[in-house]
Amino acid sequence: AQTVTQSQPEMSVQEAETVTLSCTYDTSESDYYLFWYKQPPSRQMILVIRQEAYKQQNATENRFSVNFQKAAKSFSLKISDSQLGDAAMYFCAYRSREYGNKLVFGAGTILRVKS
Amino acid sequence: DAGVIQSPRHEVTEMGQEVTLRCKPISGHNSLFWYRQTMMRGLELLIYFNNNVPIDDSGMPEDRFSAKMPNASFSTLKIQPSEPRDSAVYFCASTDLGGGAEAFFGQGTRLTVV
Repeated sequence: AQTVTQSQPEMSVQEAETVTLSCTYDTSESDYYLFWYKQPPSRQMILVIRQEAYKQQNATENRFSVNFQKAAKSFSLKISDSQLGDAAMYFCAYRSREYGNKLVFGAGTILRVKS
Repeated sequence: DAGVIQSPRHEVTEMGQEVTLRCKPISGHNSLFWYRQTMMRGLELLIYFNNNVPIDDSGMPEDRFSAKMPNASFSTLKIQPSEPRDSAVYFCASTDLGGGAEAFFGQGTRLTVV
């Protein structure tokens, strides 16, 4: 079964600094998707970034980038120039492409941004 | 499109009562997920449907929980009878099986069982 592990329950970063959130996953599949979602206090789930497993190039979206290490089954999120609005819960997610489209999430990491 | 619509936003019920949560996915999406979020267990996948057919319900905690998707535009999650430990935020999400598309989430239903 596919599982997602986020080992950092909570992280802090100074405004304008860079922070990296960790995520590892377990799967026997070769083709899948990985996502990072953000959940602010409003509890709305917002997609931050997406990575397709067959693409070697790491995805980037403005200040957000990932370090995708397929062999190590690692998918970390780097937030550059952190802003107060980045404070939220961040979830790493895995979506199967080979077995019915199942979408599972890690436990989440609370990110606090200090001014 | 109005996005994924869940109702109600908040529900307070007494232990033993039946609770029904509702979800309208984004038009054209053919995959729908139900999740439960708690502080202790995070975001748990309860069940998901592809083309209105339940694919995996292994996350449904007990027989008290049931879910249906009678058509492409509506799904329900029912708890009968409800218990205080069912208190949580329940999310519905939909996506396109075509691949690559992220899941879009509703605003969630905060359920409190007293």
